Amino acid sequence: GDSVTQMEGPVTLSEEAFLTINCTYTATGYPSLFWYVQYPGEGLQLLLKATKADDKGSNKGFEATYRKETTSFHLEKGSVQVSDSAVYFCALSDRGNNDMRFGAGTRLTVKP
Amino acid sequence: GAVVSQHPSWVICKSGTSVKIECRSLDFQATTMFWYRQFPKQSLMLMATSNEGSKATYEQGVEKDKFLINHASLTLSTLTVTSAHPEDSSFYICRPVGGNTEAFFGQGTRLTVV
Repeated sequence: GDSVTQMEGPVTLSEEAFLTINCTYTATGYPSLFWYVQYPGEGLQLLLKATKADDKGSNKGFEATYRKETTSFHLEKGSVQVSDSAVYFCALSDRGNNDMRFGAGTRLTVKP
Repeated sequence: GAVVSQHPSWVICKSGTSVKIECRSLDFQATTMFWYRQFPKQSLMLMATSNEGSKATYEQGVEKDKFLINHASLTLSTLTVTSAHPEDSSFYICRPVGGNTEAFFGQGTRLTVV
């Protein structure tokens, strides 16, 4: 079945450092891909998404490109802030039944 | 984005009692509702999927008699944890889906059973 493999971390960075969180997927069809952020005690907030190959999702300085050839959707940010500290989940959604699969989550801590 | 409201955000209950969690789609009609459970420092686990007006489909290992799901309308679904026990303590999250609104979750409910 469809699945998502995500760099688990935890990841600790200094403020203004470059961030990459790797995500690769396995799918039989052409899924939509997502990154979510979860702050302590809260639900999942959609960070960005891409629905087809070569699409780039971007939001709040974060970017990820849907790479069909490498089945990847790595999350990047050029300069992280303390407020970016959270858990990040990569996910894919089957277009047919809207089933969503999640990576294990990556905890990011940004230190001042 | 779509607006999803989940209530309550947290609840503490005594063992043996039941707790109802509501999930509402405020600006779209949710033909399908997904309910997830999340243990501390873990990813989301799908518990069940329900289509409006139909019985829910439960994932393997999820007790349908303990976790009652109702999806009687296109804007409201409920998850009732019956005869709750401490091991049911967890974070429960809904995801209503309708049209192109597949990507939005409820705020989550932190259930603590004492």
